[in-house]
Amino acid sequence: DIQMTQSPSSLSASVGDRVTITCQASQDISNRLNWYHQKPGKAPQVLIYDASYLETGVPSRFSGSGSGTEFTFTISSLQPEDLGTYYCQHYDNSPLHTFGQGTKVDIK
Amino acid sequence: QVQLQESGPGLVKPSQTLSLTCSVSGGSLTSGGYHWTWIRQHPGRGLEWIGYIYYTGRTYYNPSLKSRVTMSVDTSKNQFSLKLDSVTAADTAVYYCAGSRMGWFDPWGQGTLVTVSS
Repeated sequence: DIQMTQSPSSLSASVGDRVTITCQASQDISNRLNWYHQKPGKAPQVLIYDASYLETGVPSRFSGSGSGTEFTFTISSLQPEDLGTYYCQHYDNSPLHTFGQGTKVDIK
Repeated sequence: QVQLQESGPGLVKPSQTLSLTCSVSGGSLTSGGYHWTWIRQHPGRGLEWIGYIYYTGRTYYNPSLKSRVTMSVDTSKNQFSLKLDSVTAADTAVYYCAGSRMGWFDPWGQGTLVTVSS
C-alpha cells in the first residue's frame, strides 16, 4: 500500500505569513493528490484537486504543486479563517483512498 | 446543489452492528456520476476512507475494513447506508458521508459521532 507522509504535523503562523505544507508518497502517484481544509467541528472541504487545480470558489491564496512523490500546498498570505487542519489525500484505481496524517495550523 | 445528511444511533454496544444512513437532497442519487462514500475520523485523529457505492449497487471497500462492511443504496428514498459489524471501541468515530466523482470528496455531510460502549 502507498503511504502518505505529511509534514509538519502542526505549525503556528501570523496573519499574512506564507505557509507551506508537504506531502510525500511512498511511491510515484503521478498527480493523484488532493488537499482539504477542516475547520474545527466541521467536515473537510476540498481546496486543491489533482495536485494543482484550484476547486471552484476557493480563494486564490491557496495553491498546490508537485507530481510523483513530492507535493506542496501553500497559503500565500495566511488569513484568520484559515485555521484548522489540512489533509492531503491520494487516490488510485484499486480504488483505495489514503489520507495524510494532517497538519494543524494555528494563528499566532 | 447536492447536500448530504447522516442519521443513525449515536451509541452502539460492543459486538453489535453500527448502522448509518445518508440522505441525499438537492439532486438524485442516480445522477451526477457520484460514488457515494463513507469516511470516518477517530477522535482527535485523521481521516479513514471506509468505502463507496455506486447507485447500481457496485461497492468498493477499504481492504482493512472489508470483512465487516456492507453498503447499500435505496434509490426510492434517495439514501445510501453503511453497516459495520462486530464493532469495538476502536470503531468510535465521527462518520461522514460524502460524494466522490473524480477521486476527491465533495460534497460532505456534517458528520455524526458514533460511540461504541456498553
